[in-house]
Amino acid sequence: DIQMTQSPSSLSASVGGRVTITCRASQGISNYLAWYQQKPGNVPKLLIYAASTLQSGVPSRFSGSGSGTDFTLTISSLQPEDVATYYCQKYNSALDLTFGPGTKVDIK
Amino acid sequence: QVQLVQSGAEVKKPGSSVKVSCKASGGTFISYIISWVRQAPGQGLEWMGRIIPIVEETNYAQKFQGRVTITADKSTSTAYMELSSLRSEDTAVYYCARETEEMITTTMAHRYFDLWGRGTLVTVSS
Repeated sequence: DIQMTQSPSSLSASVGGRVTITCRASQGISNYLAWYQQKPGNVPKLLIYAASTLQSGVPSRFSGSGSGTDFTLTISSLQPEDVATYYCQKYNSALDLTFGPGTKVDIK
Repeated sequence: QVQLVQSGAEVKKPGSSVKVSCKASGGTFISYIISWVRQAPGQGLEWMGRIIPIVEETNYAQKFQGRVTITADKSTSTAYMELSSLRSEDTAVYYCARETEEMITTTMAHRYFDLWGRGTLVTVSS
């Protein structure tokens, strides 16, 4: 089975600062990767799919990149409303939609 | 506005079963793929399986094979997830989500969960 890891597990950044979250797959998954944001007490929300395609309505400060085994989610200018846990999810196999363990983002 | 409305919280005994419902309103249920994702307290997200109502096809994550059953009632636009042989580790919030599939080839697709229910807390306790 392909394992998904995320780093860091948590981070604090200043408002307006740049945030980068890394997601790694133990084997290549091409660009079959999505990113979700889950604010405290809320339902997960789709941010990005196909590694870099921004879901409609998601602010442009969010971006995704990568292919194969290494992927990144970047928040170009962190806002207070971005406090959340971020999950990557692979879907190269329709029968194994594994999520990463999550990265918690706070304001410094 | 399309919504997925889930049933209310449940408290179950170990060894019993739970059945959670997910009713789609405002959309074309027959064209949906409905997946189920769970989240234990303070933990991450875990995909359990899906149903494609239009072809009545189900797929289950290996971990839950034999213990989970996902069904759909097209007449009421409702999907169901039943989990049996409950144990304390099954205490979690169970979400249904619409899974959108963008075919790239005949066998590969970009797939993502773009609409979620509010979740149903299932507590397993003696």
